[in-house]
Amino acid sequence: EIVLTQSPGTLSLSPGERATLSCRASQSVSSSYLAWYQQKPGQAPRLLIYGASSRATGIPDRFSGSGSGTDFTLTISRLEPEDFAVYYCQQYGSSSTFGPGTKVDIK
Amino acid sequence: QVQLQESGPGLVKPSQTLSLTCTVSGGSISSGGYYWSWIRQHPGKGLEWIGYIYYSGSTYYNPSLKSRVTISVDTSKNQFSLKLSSVTAADTAVYYCARDWGYGSGSAPGWFDPWGQGTLVTVSS
Repeated sequence: EIVLTQSPGTLSLSPGERATLSCRASQSVSSSYLAWYQQKPGQAPRLLIYGASSRATGIPDRFSGSGSGTDFTLTISRLEPEDFAVYYCQQYGSSSTFGPGTKVDIK
Repeated sequence: QVQLQESGPGLVKPSQTLSLTCTVSGGSISSGGYYWSWIRQHPGKGLEWIGYIYYSGSTYYNPSLKSRVTISVDTSKNQFSLKLSSVTAADTAVYYCARDWGYGSGSAPGWFDPWGQGTLVTVSS
């Protein structure tokens, strides 16, 4: 099973700042089969990125994904108030597993 | 646009079978092109993919749950269902259904979009 590790566990930032979230896999994720989700309290996760770097429909361009192999990054260029949430990565290159999440909270 | 809604008992006794249904609206399961997945989230914890079904009835389950999981589809009602047998307190979670884009490697699922709102199932006597 591919284990995903996300860092940091919590990221405390102010609106307007840049957020950089990391997702590291225990083994290479084939063909960049990696997605990112945003989850707010009491809500279902929302797809942000698939294929490591493709934005889902309706997702603002301040969200971007990059990486390959075992190291992936989600970047939020300028945090808006609605971006404070928990972010999960998911690999679908070998069955499917999720990372434990990174919480982005207001500093 | 496609919407999903989970339904089923919120409380299940230990050793019994958890049964949930997902109703899809705004699109037809039988039109193909997508898989339909179940995912769960333990309270305050991360996410775990359970399995998927295609409109034809083909399934693929998470190996860690495979022995206890059955997913079925009823295309006439535009629904798919989850059964998880021999439940324990460790199966207490919010259960989500989601459309699975099926672009994973081999039999793996793809990414999930959209998701239902989720339903909390508590396993307790």
